[in-house]
Amino acid sequence: DAKTTQPPSMDCAEGRAANLPCNHSTISGNEYVYWYRQIHSQGPQYIIHGLKNNETNEMASLIITEDRKSSTLILPHATLRDTAVYYCIVRGWAGGTSYGKLTFGQGTILTVHP
Amino acid sequence: DAGITQSPRHKVTETGTPVTLRCHQTENHRYMYWYRQDPGHGLRLIHYSYGVKDTDKGEVSDGYSVSRSKTEDFLLTLESATSSQTSVYFCAISPGGGNTEAFFGQGTRLTVV
Repeated sequence: DAKTTQPPSMDCAEGRAANLPCNHSTISGNEYVYWYRQIHSQGPQYIIHGLKNNETNEMASLIITEDRKSSTLILPHATLRDTAVYYCIVRGWAGGTSYGKLTFGQGTILTVHP
Repeated sequence: DAGITQSPRHKVTETGTPVTLRCHQTENHRYMYWYRQDPGHGLRLIHYSYGVKDTDKGEVSDGYSVSRSKTEDFLLTLESATSSQTSVYFCAISPGGGNTEAFFGQGTRLTVV
């Protein structure tokens, strides 16, 4: 699976948009970009995923560049409860040797300030 | 929330004893995964399963074995626990890769003394 690069930490003011970048320059054509977050020591929580089109759900938006080598997770109105570690993951199909495994990096520690 | 339960949630055991952690799902998902997480690290894959009786090793499989005799249960066994296996263990389930979500359990905190 392709590796990802994220900044180790970011800050955001409450109520403002949080934009978390991720580089995945070696992503292949059938691999998806996933975002998870982990609050304290809870189990990782799914946020959003996409292939090449921008995606939006009730939690966030995912913007993937046209060449698919990078993406940005956007939390439109960050709250204190959004303070967490955010992981950007490239995930392949379950077939072949990937088996849908999620390979976690170090993630980005997002701190939302009052 | 996805139907995934890990047991026990907390366990303290002595070095050299066998330990089994259980991951139970009610979603009938084909794929199941065991991860461990240590302070300052992201999650690392221990073993995974792609069907009943079909399992394979992840990146940190030494000292661990797994079994999956039915779809809903994926067991992780530490044959002889060591202090280096003190960690938080997470189970995940997924119907597939690619365009499907994977859901994580709440974790099992294991301490080996």
